[in-house]
Amino acid sequence: QKEVEQNSGPLSVPEGAIASLNCTYSDRGSQSFFWYRQYSGKSPELIMFIYSNGDKEDGRFTAQLNKASQYVSLLIRDSQPSDSATYLCAVMKAGGGNKLTFGTGTQLKVEL
Amino acid sequence: NAGVTQTPKFQVLKTGQSMTLQCAQDMNHNSMYWYRQDPGMGLRLIYYSASEGTTDKGEVPNGYNVSRLNKREFSLRLESAAPSQTSVYFCASRETASGTQYFGPGTRLTVL
Repeated sequence: QKEVEQNSGPLSVPEGAIASLNCTYSDRGSQSFFWYRQYSGKSPELIMFIYSNGDKEDGRFTAQLNKASQYVSLLIRDSQPSDSATYLCAVMKAGGGNKLTFGTGTQLKVEL
Repeated sequence: NAGVTQTPKFQVLKTGQSMTLQCAQDMNHNSMYWYRQDPGMGLRLIYYSASEGTTDKGEVPNGYNVSRLNKREFSLRLESAAPSQTSVYFCASRETASGTQYFGPGTRLTVL
């Protein structure tokens, strides 16, 4: 079992729709959760992070965390073609260099 | 602020050649990381440095060495390059407060 799992996609949504990206993790000691966006040929850039159970909103983005079920999700409202990218989920355990473990990413395509 | 910078952006090596990838950050972060990214494999940690003067192995350290030259700079060395080291290499530094890692633009390395 991979430590962090994501559906590779591609996930296709029409412009203006809600895109839902999911991520599951195996280590219950995980404490911090990050969503990064990566455009083709570019480096990952942070969208948002979440530490506590529940929802965290930032503009069109909402991260949801459920530690009991060991999953974290990212919702993108009013999806735009510019949101087309690969979305990486990353999980951090405290200590040990505070390393991040990344999923392999979900490719999102927003279609006109 | 330039953030995280990496040099070179592209490099082609022959099998057995050596090279050093350079990374620098101007955000006064203590921790720095080197990753490689391969299709279908996601980002994998090669080495990290939790603070100036310390380095530790990550998930895939074989064939690499690192040097934390000072708080700003963290270099990655390939002593004898192999085709299996063809990849995109990213350097990152970590903001202590949030745990967020910020990535450099990457180095695309091809080993023939």
